[in-house]
Amino acid sequence: GNSVTQMEGPVTLSEEAFLTINCTYTATGYPSLFWYVQYPGEGLQLLLKATKADDKGSNKGFEATYRKETTSFHLEKGSVQVSDSAVYFCALRRGSARQLTFGSGTQLTVLP
Amino acid sequence: ETGVTQSPTHLIKTRGQQVTLRCSSQSGHNTVSWYQQALGQGPQFIFQYYREEENGRGNFPPRFSGLQFPNYSSELNVNALELDDSALYLCASSPPGTDNTEAFFGQGTRLTVV
Repeated sequence: GNSVTQMEGPVTLSEEAFLTINCTYTATGYPSLFWYVQYPGEGLQLLLKATKADDKGSNKGFEATYRKETTSFHLEKGSVQVSDSAVYFCALRRGSARQLTFGSGTQLTVLP
Repeated sequence: ETGVTQSPTHLIKTRGQQVTLRCSSQSGHNTVSWYQQALGQGPQFIFQYYREEENGRGNFPPRFSGLQFPNYSSELNVNALELDDSALYLCASSPPGTDNTEAFFGQGTRLTVV
């Protein structure tokens, strides 16, 4: 079946540090890949997505590249801000089905 | 345009009771999915409704059931509540289109079973 594995958290960084959150997946075929962000007390917001191999999704300074050969979709940001503190979820959706399979989430805390 | 709205925001129920959670999908969206997010975990897919029919189900027992109405709003019903049903329940709606379309999430309903 489909599955998503995220790096263990929590992650604590100082403001302006470089961020990487690892995500690998298992799925047959060519799933679409997503990063969602969840701020405290809120639902999920789509951060970025990629729908085919070698696509790069980007938004708000965050980037992730769909790597078919390593089945990975690592999230990166060059300089994090305190406002980036949240839980980040990697997810996949395979084929025409609309349901998402999520990883367990990574809590990011950015200190001033 | 209004986004996905869920009600109530918080709910406390007793073990064995039944609960109904509600979701209004975003305008123009005809697909609604429900997810259960236990504390510290990622959301788990419960089921999905498309044009008032169940269109996919995750690994949840039959006491989790749902409905979608002609206006595409939806309900999640859980019978015989158990303590482990305590979680954040998220509704997501999607517009018509290909598998590249985005799912828009509501704020969730926090259910506590005591």
